[in-house]
Amino acid sequence: DAMVIQNPRYQVTQFGKPVTLSCSQTLNHNVMYWYQQKSSQAPKLLFHYYDKDFNNEADTPDNFQSRRPNTSFCFLDIRSPGLGDAAMYLCATSIYDSNQPQHFGDGTRLSIL
Amino acid sequence: DQQVKQNSPSLSVQEGRISILNCDYTNSMFDYFLWYKKYPAEGPTFLISISSIKDKNEDGRFTVFLNKSAKHLSLHIVPSQPGDSAVYFCAASEEDKIIFGKGTRLHILP
Repeated sequence: DAMVIQNPRYQVTQFGKPVTLSCSQTLNHNVMYWYQQKSSQAPKLLFHYYDKDFNNEADTPDNFQSRRPNTSFCFLDIRSPGLGDAAMYLCATSIYDSNQPQHFGDGTRLSIL
Repeated sequence: DQQVKQNSPSLSVQEGRISILNCDYTNSMFDYFLWYKKYPAEGPTFLISISSIKDKNEDGRFTVFLNKSAKHLSLHIVPSQPGDSAVYFCAASEEDKIIFGKGTRLHILP
């Protein structure tokens, strides 16, 4: 089955220690998204890629970076995680068309010690 | 400021009855609206959508209604089933971005 896969499902890191979350897709979608979701909040878009074109949201902290080495993979790097970065991180993909739904992975829950 | 609002954090409905989830939005430029369903420990899954040029879209037990003048949409589930217990996110699209509401947790009671 075509899908969006996020690894790991649970990640624990120390305050200030860099961490990388990964996302892969078999849907061959050209757009990939990273969202941050905190408890009882709406998923918040951090950035997205059209193919290799990177689009950062204006309020995404500089602490968050992303890489997309190819169509299938996308990474979220948090350079110096703070306690406020503990959240669920969701990856999604879509076809480049404004009227197409996004397909989500199951997320990575990040905890900061 | 929230552009997509789901004002009911939770809703309980008897099995077999109709569930109505509501959503309001502020941006008149939104041209496509979606509902997602989320179970615990899983990502959101797409449920149903509606274009801004329509006022109703139906898919089996699920119907979405759009009232553009009121900037309001609703999701009707009838009849409600135990497997419908989940968090439902309303979302709205402008160009390439989707803005989500905070979600409504639906409990289907036996």
